[in-house]
Amino acid sequence: LAKTTQPISMDSYEGQEVNITCSHNNIATNDYITWYQQFPSQGPRFIIQGYKTKVTNEVASLFIPADRKSSTLSLPRVSLSDTAVYYCLVGFKAGTALIFGKGTTLSVSS
Amino acid sequence: NAGVTQTPKFQVLKTGQSMTLQCAQDMNHNSMYWYRQDPGMGLRLIYYSASEGTTDKGEVPNGYNVSRLNKREFSLRLESAAPSQTSVYFCASSVNRGGNEKLFFGSGTQLSVL
Repeated sequence: LAKTTQPISMDSYEGQEVNITCSHNNIATNDYITWYQQFPSQGPRFIIQGYKTKVTNEVASLFIPADRKSSTLSLPRVSLSDTAVYYCLVGFKAGTALIFGKGTTLSVSS
Repeated sequence: NAGVTQTPKFQVLKTGQSMTLQCAQDMNHNSMYWYRQDPGMGLRLIYYSASEGTTDKGEVPNGYNVSRLNKREFSLRLESAAPSQTSVYFCASSVNRGGNEKLFFGSGTQLSVL
């Protein structure tokens, strides 16, 4: 699992676009970048995963530059329900110890 | 397809009591994990199992034991519960895919030790 650095917290207002950047300087060639979202009292849930360039789904977009040393999770037009903790994980291999960092606590206000 | 199922959802124990938290997944996943999350804190890995018959310690294994009963089930046992073990416990599973794995979590067990 590659070491990652992401902001501890971010604040936003409803309707704004939120971009959360994760740094992962020691990413390995075969590593994927995965983001999880955790609401209070719930387990984290997968939201998006990518290897390079851009990935988009119904929830978010993930932008990965050519050097892959960072990635940006983009949440378009956030609502109050997007208030959660967002975790960036890089290089997770099933069957190995998966240690979560503190993630980024996103607070969305009206 | 239920995913990852944890039982019970809530439990209150007295100090010194024992109990087992159950976890089962129906996705044919090889790897399973147990985490705890204290109020306002991050997830901490207790134990994990790469495959049936194998288990490994995580960050905070003291006071816990685990059993990988078969491919579907991974249980967590507290032999003598302590107030410091009051927490929400999450089970998760993942399949080996050579790199682009995803982790699937259960809904958690909220445990209070008095």
